[in-house]
Amino acid sequence: DAGVIQSPRHEVTEMGQEVTLRCKPISGHNSLFWYRQTMMRGLELLIYFNNNVPIDDSGMPEDRFSAKMPNASFSTLKIQPSEPRDSAVYFCASRHWTGGLWVEQYFGPGTRLTVT
Amino acid sequence: SQKIEQNSEALNIQEGKTATLTCNYTNYSPAYLQWYRQDPGRGPVFLLLIRENEKEKRKERLKVTFDTTLKQSLFHITASQPADSATYLCALLNSGYALNFGKGTSLLVTP
Repeated sequence: DAGVIQSPRHEVTEMGQEVTLRCKPISGHNSLFWYRQTMMRGLELLIYFNNNVPIDDSGMPEDRFSAKMPNASFSTLKIQPSEPRDSAVYFCASRHWTGGLWVEQYFGPGTRLTVT
Repeated sequence: SQKIEQNSEALNIQEGKTATLTCNYTNYSPAYLQWYRQDPGRGPVFLLLIRENEKEKRKERLKVTFDTTLKQSLFHITASQPADSATYLCALLNSGYALNFGKGTSLLVTP
């Protein structure tokens, strides 16, 4: 398997523009996570899905952020409008969840977002 | 609020020595704890998982301990090598069954 795939790997945009990050989870995994990583705050959970349904979006910073998972093999994280403080590395992760408590997560390579 | 705390200062050690990293947590009742490794420019990679009823877990040169009374886990790398240089993150399940991560500790092993 190719692992978790994210695109683009790097994104540079101007403040006010819309940004869309994409993720393809590992085939067969039924849970998908979006994290944001900065030096100051570390790795923060933004939202996660089980079987394409959003379970917990309490980490989404504000209404400018939205995430969708239209099917089991694709998810997007959208920021509109973007602001300089959104600059970070955004990671997507997936796992196969059967209700057991001890399951590791597999991370993608991340998208480095810079908002100028 | 729930917190996962790891040493923010980088740990510098000499090749061949044992590296020990600490993870402390508050307001979690974890059934297990996970450790991940992150290299620059890459996503975290799973290393080890230890359950609440396990005091110690080993995998090759890695050893993890888990003390639910102290609310602490220790991560040891024995006979460290320069290739072990990376950031190490501990993680716990939150009440929604998603992983929360500490900020990580950077390890540098010098020849």
